[in-house]
Amino acid sequence: QVQLQESGPGLVKPSDTLSLTCAVSGYSISSGNWWGWIRQSPGKGLEWIGYIYYSGSTYYNPSLKSRVTMSVDTSRNQFSLKLSSVTAVDTAVYYCAIKGPDSFDHWGQGAQVTVSS
Amino acid sequence: DIQMTQSPSSLSASVGDRVTIACRASQSISTHLNWYQQKPGKAPKALIYAASSLQSGVPSRFSGSGSGTDFTLTISSLQPEDFGTYYCQQSYSSPLTFGPGTKVDIK
Repeated sequence: QVQLQESGPGLVKPSDTLSLTCAVSGYSISSGNWWGWIRQSPGKGLEWIGYIYYSGSTYYNPSLKSRVTMSVDTSRNQFSLKLSSVTAVDTAVYYCAIKGPDSFDHWGQGAQVTVSS
Repeated sequence: DIQMTQSPSSLSASVGDRVTIACRASQSISTHLNWYQQKPGKAPKALIYAASSLQSGVPSRFSGSGSGTDFTLTISSLQPEDFGTYYCQQSYSSPLTFGPGTKVDIK
């Protein structure tokens, strides 16, 4: 069964870059599927950030596109998120997930990221 | 962007009750509608995809229906473990968007 695990700093300073990695087990990223990031904050609810294919193709939420970069490392079976120029509104729980033809079928447990000096 | 709304925002029901949650899209999304269940401190769990298809392992008391702009999630006989918040999500067009959630409590 596929499992996903987010990792990265829990505290990021304003204007810095948030970096998270999602390690995938029980399934090869290279087998296909899109791999996504979603965040959840009390103020904005669930917000889709974007997703990436194992080949590197990406789709980003237009509202975040200028600050988001996603990448995939097939050798380590993981994918990553970078969000630049963060502010307090980027404070959220960040989830990685595998996207099926329609829904996000399996999710990681989530990583709390707080933006504060 | 396609806006998703849900009603009610919360409900309280007894074990065995039939529960219905509504989700509406601001424009037609065909059947590109998914449902998730989230319990406190946990990640969302996929329940229904493509409006009416049950995810593997999800109990058959959960069902989904609808197309176009109006959708429904039904729990035929509410169980104690069904508490949590339920979200709809459209996968019709970018950006993918979620509803605000419906919180279900067990009386």
